[in-house]
Amino acid sequence: NAGVMQNPRHLVRRRGQEARLRCSPMKGHSHVYWYRQLPEEGLKFMVYLQKENIIDESGMPKERFSAEFPKEGPSILRIQQVVRGDSAAYFCASSPLTDSLYEQYFGPGTRLTVT
Amino acid sequence: DQQVKQNSPSLSVQEGRISILNCDYTNSMFDYFLWYKKYPAEGPTFLISISSIKDKNEDGRFTVFLNKSAKHLSLHIVPSQPGDSAVYFCAASGGGTASKLTFGTGTRLQVTL
Repeated sequence: NAGVMQNPRHLVRRRGQEARLRCSPMKGHSHVYWYRQLPEEGLKFMVYLQKENIIDESGMPKERFSAEFPKEGPSILRIQQVVRGDSAAYFCASSPLTDSLYEQYFGPGTRLTVT
Repeated sequence: DQQVKQNSPSLSVQEGRISILNCDYTNSMFDYFLWYKKYPAEGPTFLISISSIKDKNEDGRFTVFLNKSAKHLSLHIVPSQPGDSAVYFCAASGGGTASKLTFGTGTRLQVTL
């Protein structure tokens, strides 16, 4: 039973380029979350999605960042015109659709480096 | 505004002894708390959780205690093992079935021989 998959694991982009991060949730999970971890900090919530819906994007920067979770395929976190401050580890998590389960299961992360 | 705080950035414990990791929170709307363990270059791994209606939850060597009046929780690991050496994050969730997690900044645990 595969866990949460993220690719690529490492991504290097020059300033001004676009970064696309992909996340495939665990089988049977319909909730996807994206978090960002800056060096020496905890994880910060960015966005929560269900299939074809953004439920909570209160942690997303207002500009350049977008996320989607289409009916088919992985969830995508897109960062346009990247800047050095976007360098971080981006983690995706998923959880199942149940009444009682809060636990989120994390992928290995994508480490974005902006040069 | 750090709603979940882990005031000890690091902790060193001898193998076989108890490790106690602490976490404080400020938001009284939080009703579910989780502990995650993280190795370098990996994603966080879920360890144990507790609902606000309980004050203790135990799973093998791991026990989480919740003191709602003090807005404090702790993770006890006993006995500590070298493989427990990692960064431990406390996280909190509030409202709804599936909701965003608010993380602390982590405590790096080193279990020495």
